Amino acid sequence: KAGVTQTPRYLIKTRGQQVTLSCSPISGHRSVSWYQQTPGQGLQFLFEYFSETQRNKGNFPGRFSGRQFSNSRSEMNVSTLELGDSALYLCASSLDRSNEKLFFGSGTQLSVL
Amino acid sequence: GENVEQHPSTLSVQEGDSAVIKCTYSDSASNYFPWYKQELGKGPQLIIDIRSNVGEKKDQRIAVTLNKTAKHFSLHITETQPEDSAVYFCAASSYNQGGKLIFGQGTELSVKP
Repeated sequence: KAGVTQTPRYLIKTRGQQVTLSCSPISGHRSVSWYQQTPGQGLQFLFEYFSETQRNKGNFPGRFSGRQFSNSRSEMNVSTLELGDSALYLCASSLDRSNEKLFFGSGTQLSVL
Repeated sequence: GENVEQHPSTLSVQEGDSAVIKCTYSDSASNYFPWYKQELGKGPQLIIDIRSNVGEKKDQRIAVTLNKTAKHFSLHITETQPEDSAVYFCAASSYNQGGKLIFGQGTELSVKP
């Protein structure tokens, strides 16, 4: 069974630009969560989707948004990029709404210059 | 909201020794406590988890203990090997909060041969 796939693996953007990251969950998994990982703040929850509906949202500004498609694939978007948005963005999938046994992808490393 | 504290931030042990990582949580409603291992360049990988109705769980060389009264849980790795070197994260979640995982800050474990 293929794991969680995130694309692209690396991304370099400049301040003010926007970016879209993609996540394909494990086949059969319906819940997708996104986390931001930085050396200073650790793993911070961004949002979670289940059956195309956002169920939970973390404490991030409105520049961070996401969506989930009918095939459970998910995208997250960051608009008006800031230097502080440089981070590893991790997507995780789980079978159901309990979010137990999250499986993580390898992440997208975003650098904002 | 939930807050998870993890100690120590770094841990160095000799191969064959045991390693213990401790976490405390603040929300008494939390009922699910997973541990993740993250190797360089990869996403976190679930290594063991425990629910609040269980006090201890073992899987080969790793074990997790939970003290609900004191609101703390610990990861124990016995007979450590160099391949155990990684960053370990604890996390907590409660189903009534949508299963959002709140992570500790991580412990960088180094096992010296």
